[in-house]
Amino acid sequence: EADIYQTPRYLVIGTGKKITLECSQTMGHDKMYWYQQDPGMELHLIHYSYGVNSTEKGDLSSESTVSRIRTEHFPLTLESARPSHTSQYLCASSEGGVGRYGYTFGSGTRLTVV
Amino acid sequence: QKEVEQDPGPLSVPEGAIVSLNCTYSNSAFQYFMWYRQYSRKGPELLMYTYSSGNKEDGRFTAQVDKSSKYISLFIRDSQPSDSATYLCAPHAGNMLTFGGGTRLMVKP
Repeated sequence: EADIYQTPRYLVIGTGKKITLECSQTMGHDKMYWYQQDPGMELHLIHYSYGVNSTEKGDLSSESTVSRIRTEHFPLTLESARPSHTSQYLCASSEGGVGRYGYTFGSGTRLTVV
Repeated sequence: QKEVEQDPGPLSVPEGAIVSLNCTYSNSAFQYFMWYRQYSRKGPELLMYTYSSGNKEDGRFTAQVDKSSKYISLFIRDSQPSDSATYLCAPHAGNMLTFGGGTRLMVKP
């Protein structure tokens, strides 16, 4: 049973709309991450957080923003969706020291912008 | 050059074959070496990990690390169609995982 939840699983939305992808975890993990992954392609880190009120940009430039007001919640927002944002977005979390447990991933949100 | 390199495949094998999946890396500080499995349209799931050099076995899966050559391997014995997925190596030095690009494996019945 997944301990990290992403909603919605699938989203089709028009260009210019504002959207928020939700991610919640019940494990009390301090660290959370957002990855973008096109089909058959590698993972790209777009945002991460080491705790409440801490957010950092990842390796891939992204027009999205994130917030971390509560430990368990790490939403990602696109102010104005474009077709180039069409992709799968994966949320993950980990303990303070990544150690032997690595990351736990959610099932992802598949976003299509038309 | 990327910190972690993986052959993207696809690698196609018949059911029952022994599969070898490999990664090379450049960061000598890596201490944990993780393998993730990702089924189509799903998030990656942790398959197994190895700490430092050596081998680790878990059922049909064996992970192997050679730190002297910076080479990571995952062996799958008696491969099954259900093993068809993308396998990502992900070493780290205790802070953040560095993912390889993944190797797509197809096991044909």
